[in-house]
Amino acid sequence: EAGVAQSPRYKIIEKRQSVAFWCNPISGHATLYWYQQILGQGPKLLIQFQNNGVVDDSQLPKDRFSAERLKGVDSTLKIQPAKLEDSAVYLCASSLQTSTDTQYFGPGTRLTVL
Amino acid sequence: RKEVEQDPGPFNVPEGATVAFNCTYSNSASQSFFWYRQDCRKEPKLLMSVYSSGNEDGRFTAQLNRASQYISLLIRDSKLSDSATYLCVVSGSSASKIIFGSGTRLSIRP
Repeated sequence: EAGVAQSPRYKIIEKRQSVAFWCNPISGHATLYWYQQILGQGPKLLIQFQNNGVVDDSQLPKDRFSAERLKGVDSTLKIQPAKLEDSAVYLCASSLQTSTDTQYFGPGTRLTVL
Repeated sequence: RKEVEQDPGPFNVPEGATVAFNCTYSNSASQSFFWYRQDCRKEPKLLMSVYSSGNEDGRFTAQLNRASQYISLLIRDSKLSDSATYLCVVSGSSASKIIFGSGTRLSIRP
């Protein structure tokens, strides 16, 4: 079974630029999550989708971050404009139905903002 | 107070030792609890779910104490390959916010 796919794996941009990340969850998984993990910290949930609806985006900085999952399958996360403090690993995860199910994580995108 | 707190460690123990970590949570309505393992520069992977009755998987035992609002992870006969960061995860109902702890670093020495 294929795992969660993410791209790109690495991205370096300058502050105030835009960046987008892509995630393809495990086939059949209804719930998709985007996390931000800053070095030395645990993952912080940014947004959770169930199919193509948003379940929780309470920690998403909506002035600069946006995410969509239009067809209930793959998803994109965008940052515009980026700040230095956005440097982190962005992890995508998926689970079969809800957050009580096991989450399977992708390899992450390591973002460096200069 | 953080919603989910873990001792960051690092715990540095010899191979074969028994080591235990705790994780405290502040929301008494929390319903689902997990331990994930994260190797350096890798993604988190589920180690085990934590049930009210406690559960065991080989050398690993997880416990939940609702009265004191903490979960624990016990590793017996530790191996070099157990060196990793252990993350506890707490969530409420299926639609509630998922919170990861900041992780406990474990290093097993030969």
